Order: sequence, then structure tokens, then C-alpha cells
Amino acid sequence: EPEVTQTPSHQVTQMGQEVILRCVPISNHLYFYWYRQILGQKVEFLVSFYNNEISEKSEIFDDQFSVERPDGSNFTLKIRSTKLEDSAMYFCASSEAAGGYGYTFGSGTRLTVV
Amino acid sequence: AQTVTQSQPEMSVQEAETVTLSCTYDTSESDYYLFWYKQPPSRQMILVIRQEAYKQQNATENRFSVNFQKAAKSFSLKISDSQLGDAAMYFCAYRSATSGTYKYIFGTGTRLKVLA
Repeated sequence: EPEVTQTPSHQVTQMGQEVILRCVPISNHLYFYWYRQILGQKVEFLVSFYNNEISEKSEIFDDQFSVERPDGSNFTLKIRSTKLEDSAMYFCASSEAAGGYGYTFGSGTRLTVV
Repeated sequence: AQTVTQSQPEMSVQEAETVTLSCTYDTSESDYYLFWYKQPPSRQMILVIRQEAYKQQNATENRFSVNFQKAAKSFSLKISDSQLGDAAMYFCAYRSATSGTYKYIFGTGTRLKVLA
């Protein structure tokens, strides 16, 4: 069964450093998403991406965050200057259509900011 | 704004028994989708079942079924013949059917333990 692949599975970074989280969505999917889950809290929407542009973003997704689909297969989330409160599990997801068929999620990247 | 509430942080069920996980939501919209996702310790969230709000018939997927009560804004998940592999966090999620919005709103999750 097709999968959404995320790398790395765990990343530790110093506060203030830039990090890039990588995702390879399912090849025929057109809609891409990032969510995060702070330990013990609910899963929160960050951003959706379609047709090479952001289609929707949350208030969490401020100027420190950016997304890119650099080569037609990867989908990346960049955090420019990490803060302690960015420590969370970050999930990438993709979907074939915008309808309510459900996403396919990746296994997540655990980001620890020290 | 829409909200999703899961009032049971943790539930336990004996293997082979039936368990029901609760979810309520708040919305002023009439057309939307509801989902249950399972997150086992491996972390990947897996779609368990989905329901379209305009459909009155409750969705079923093998041992999983929902009780969708639109007027009450309730969307509970029933797991029959529970198996050890059902142990996981279960998240209820809402998605508007309004064009232009794609995001899910998740509940806080219910941790299901299955006892042998």
C-alpha cells in the first residue's frame, strides 16, 4: 500500500537553528499538509498546499515557517529559527482530492529543540 | 469556529468485548465530514472510518462502526470483538465540506487499552 514517508524520524536541534523536515507524499496525490502534535496535546493543523502554493494556514504557521515542494516529489517544512515551544511531533499528510476521503499520514518527525 | 471534544482520555476493554468511544463536535455548518483515526505506538495515524454528514446511514468498516447523531452533534465509534491490535490512541476529526478549506480539527484523543 502506498505510504507517506517522513525523514528524519527524530531530530534534535539547538534553539535558534533552522530545521527542515522532509516528506515524500504519495505520488498521485495533489494536496499536502503539515500538522503538529505537542506531547500530550491535540493534533493541530499548520498548513495545506496545493498547486505549488499554500491554500490555507493556521495562526501557528507564522513567518518562522515555510513549506516547499522543490522537486515534484518532496514536500518540506522549514522552521527558520527554532524555539523550545516548537518541540513536537510533526506529521505530513497527503490526499488525492480535496474532498472528504481522508488523508494518508506519515509516521511523523519528532523534533526536539534544546 | 468548530470544535471537537473527546471526553474520555482513556478507556479499557477486555479482548473480544465491545467498546464505544465518544466524540461530540460543535459547528454551525450543515455539510461536513467526520473521521476516526487510530494512532498506534508506531505513531502513524491511520484512517479507521469516515462519515459524510449528509448521509443518514451510519458508516461501518468490518468491526468498526459509528453512531452518527447529527442533531446531537455526536459521532461515537464502536469497536466490536476488540483485539489486542486495537490498542492505540483514537482521534475524532472534523472537516468542513466548504470549498477552500481542507484542514481537519482534531479532538484530544482517547487512549484505548485492550486487556487480554
